[in-house]
Amino acid sequence: DVVMTQSPLSLPVTVGQPASISCRSSQSLVDSDGDTFLSWFQQRPGQSPRLLIYEVSYRDSGVPDRFSGSGSGTDFTLNINRVEAEDVGVYYCMQVTHWPGTFGQGTKVEIK
Amino acid sequence: EVQLVDSGGDLVQPGGSLRLSCAASGFTFSQFWMTWVRQAPGKGLEWVAIINEDGSEKYYVDSVKGRFTISRDNAKKSLFLQMNSLRIEDTAEYYCVRGRGGGYWGPGTLVTVSS
Repeated sequence: DVVMTQSPLSLPVTVGQPASISCRSSQSLVDSDGDTFLSWFQQRPGQSPRLLIYEVSYRDSGVPDRFSGSGSGTDFTLNINRVEAEDVGVYYCMQVTHWPGTFGQGTKVEIK
Repeated sequence: EVQLVDSGGDLVQPGGSLRLSCAASGFTFSQFWMTWVRQAPGKGLEWVAIINEDGSEKYYVDSVKGRFTISRDNAKKSLFLQMNSLRIEDTAEYYCVRGRGGGYWGPGTLVTVSS
């Protein structure tokens, strides 16, 4: 199975400052058609996860533009341009290029 | 409006069975892959199983292979997860998720395996 490794696992941030989460896969996530099925999710306390980014860099409908995704191959990043208080929660990367799908361990974002 | 409503979670003894259901509305169900994801109490997300649009392709995480079966009824816009030989480590909130990339999530249904 593809192992997804996120860092850091805990991220204290100041409101208004940028934040960045890394996600590395144990093998390339590019499939035979050249597509890369890497998504990012936000899970606020007590809520179901919410899709933020799909296929590395496409922002889902309604997601604020302060969230962006980048990367390729085995190295991916979620950036939050200017953190807001409502961004507190746990962030997960997930790959579904290879079966079974796999998630990263999660990164807990909290406000300093 | 897209809606996914998970149901069927319950308290069950080790070795027992449960069938989870997910009722979909607000989109053309037959055009989407559907996924089950679970989350043990206080833990991270774990991908469980996926089924393609017509049910001809199914994939599972190793820990549930041979015990869980994913299926769907496109006419009834419903997704299912038949869970047999349940283990204590299967205790989790189970989420129905639309698509391969995880676009919409149900509220979850809690499965507790305990004697």
